Amino acid sequence: DAGITQSPRHKVTETGTPVTLRCHQTENHRYMYWYRQDPGHGLRLIHYSYGVKDTDKGEVSDGYSVSRSKTEDFLLTLESATSSQTSVYFCAISLHREAEEKLFFGSGTQLSVL
Amino acid sequence: GQQVMQIPQYQHVQEGEDFTTYCNSSTTLSNIQWYKQRPGGHPVFLIQLVKSGEVKKQKRLTFQFGEAKKNSSLHITATQTTDVGTYFCAGHTETSYDKVIFGPGTSLSVIP
Repeated sequence: DAGITQSPRHKVTETGTPVTLRCHQTENHRYMYWYRQDPGHGLRLIHYSYGVKDTDKGEVSDGYSVSRSKTEDFLLTLESATSSQTSVYFCAISLHREAEEKLFFGSGTQLSVL
Repeated sequence: GQQVMQIPQYQHVQEGEDFTTYCNSSTTLSNIQWYKQRPGGHPVFLIQLVKSGEVKKQKRLTFQFGEAKKNSSLHITATQTTDVGTYFCAGHTETSYDKVIFGPGTSLSVIP
């Protein structure tokens, strides 16, 4: 695939605790994205990055922050987790090959906030 | 903000029947992408359409991009059990190219 890994794969935490999810890529792709997936809503964009220290908000950014201090790592932080943030989180990178753009996704992180 | 809708939300078909999912955007898209997600898996890229009115085929799958670049469809001929999964359309708007916005998906079940 595109050398993208997410960690952890599963996380259970309590309301009010901070949580950081990591997305790591090995191929120096510029664009990286964080999505959350919930039944009936599909994939909703939380934040994205278009380079080191260059990030912007997506559709559902409230309660989330991101950081990209290195090309290969894009971190998603829930400063104070809430039950509404229980979801599956996917990281994706954007590939441009042969005039075609596509997103490659990591395997996802299942986050449960109790 | 931009909205991308898909219908139907769920579709159950008998194996061998055809299946179509429709994608509609509230704004003009610079391109449309389609993804498939198997149960328990992650979305996997299928195809990208860029031109107005474009039609592309992948074996039993036919993808269309509308003339106004606001809608798209995916048609599967003679479904098989391997087609089970959720199909998502996604796209960039012409004014916000960095963001890739997804529709809510159509979940396909195939009854053997």
